[in-house]
Amino acid sequence: GQQVMQIPQYQHVQEGEDFTTYCNSSTTLSNIQWYKQRPGGHPVFLIQLVKSGEVKKQKRLTFQFGEAKKNSSLHITATQTTDVGTYFCAGPGDSSYKLIFGSGTRLLVRP
Amino acid sequence: DTEVTQTPKHLVMGMTNKKSLKCEQHMGHRAMYWYKQKAKKPPELMFVYSYEKLSINESVPSRFSPECPNSSLLNLHLHALQPEDSALYLCASSQDLLGEAFFGQGTRLTVV
Repeated sequence: GQQVMQIPQYQHVQEGEDFTTYCNSSTTLSNIQWYKQRPGGHPVFLIQLVKSGEVKKQKRLTFQFGEAKKNSSLHITATQTTDVGTYFCAGPGDSSYKLIFGSGTRLLVRP
Repeated sequence: DTEVTQTPKHLVMGMTNKKSLKCEQHMGHRAMYWYKQKAKKPPELMFVYSYEKLSINESVPSRFSPECPNSSLLNLHLHALQPEDSALYLCASSQDLLGEAFFGQGTRLTVV
């Protein structure tokens, strides 16, 4: 079945450093979504990418969808303590209307 | 109103109990979902409702029984659960299938 993997599993950075998480799917995705889950919280939608090679920015966050639509990345410039949480990518499951979450990258930021 | 409301926030139940989790949204969304999330793991899809009809059941054991009484409400009935069913149960909704999902705050369930 389809798998969506993220790397790294975990990253601890100093405040002000950059951070990147990568999402890789075993199959081509029609679109990809990104969510953030704070510790003790629930997933919150960040963005959806649809087009091959698409790049979108939200303030310090940059999202990219690969040319082959099988991978995606989220880059945070100059991390802040408010960026702490787990970042999940999510894509449609193969042959059905279901959203499959990636394994997640947990970000910790040292003040 | 852009919220998905789940009740209760916490639930402790015995293995012989019957309980229900409730979820409500007033955004006019036509798709609603139940996810299960274990600690340090991603949300795992359980059920999908589209236009109040069950679209997807991810081979969930029958001790979990979903119900969609109307377009705003989604319930999850629990019966004879096992300790390994202890988890955070998340409800979500979206305008249509595969659209941006809005999640509730979840019910943290402990089975004793």
